Amino acid sequence: NAGVTQTPKFQVLKTGQSMTLQCAQDMNHEYMSWYRQDPGMGLRLIHYSVGAGITDQGEVPNGYNVSRSTTEDFPLRLLSAAPSQTSVYFCASRGFSGNTIYFGEGSWLTVV
Amino acid sequence: DAKTTQPPSMDCAEGRAANLPCNHSTISGNEYVYWYRQIHSQGPQYIIHGLKNNETNEMASLIITEDRKSSTLILPHATLRDTAVYYCIVVPFTSGTYKYIFGTGTRLKVLA
Repeated sequence: NAGVTQTPKFQVLKTGQSMTLQCAQDMNHEYMSWYRQDPGMGLRLIHYSVGAGITDQGEVPNGYNVSRSTTEDFPLRLLSAAPSQTSVYFCASRGFSGNTIYFGEGSWLTVV
Repeated sequence: DAKTTQPPSMDCAEGRAANLPCNHSTISGNEYVYWYRQIHSQGPQYIIHGLKNNETNEMASLIITEDRKSSTLILPHATLRDTAVYYCIVVPFTSGTYKYIFGTGTRLKVLA
């Protein structure tokens, strides 16, 4: 049971490039979400999903796309990276039978 | 917008109790109070949650006021390893919105 796994852990992108941050969980959790955390700031919700095929926007969705084709995976796509998207990204999940959110260890993204 | 308000920072002497307050004056009857902490830039870690009764586990105690508009997280004997950012959030326990808004938290520094 690995919990919530994020890849890559570190990534450097050039402005305008696209990439996908991967998130996988092996707890059969229905709910998954993505947060970003800028230096010295709190967590801000980007997108979330309550099950396969269902996604919704959070607080700061612009510039990001998500899809949920399986229960296990919830990738976050940056369509055209901008320096303002330099941040640490956290994926989280929880099951419907509980309320505890489990977080991944984070993905550090730098856009130059 | 965050549904909770916390002081930005607090200090606590090692071995003493750390009392972290949280205001959630707009909490609904179907929302729990959850506490998480984030050490350095790791993924946030679950501490404790409650609805209206006081709760205690091996990590901390949670005191919720009778009107549920505020709560206090108590770390009974703070250690240097408790230095972290502590987040208080409100979470619905029925199906519905899953926008878990974290805010900026309280940065607790435990002093030797």
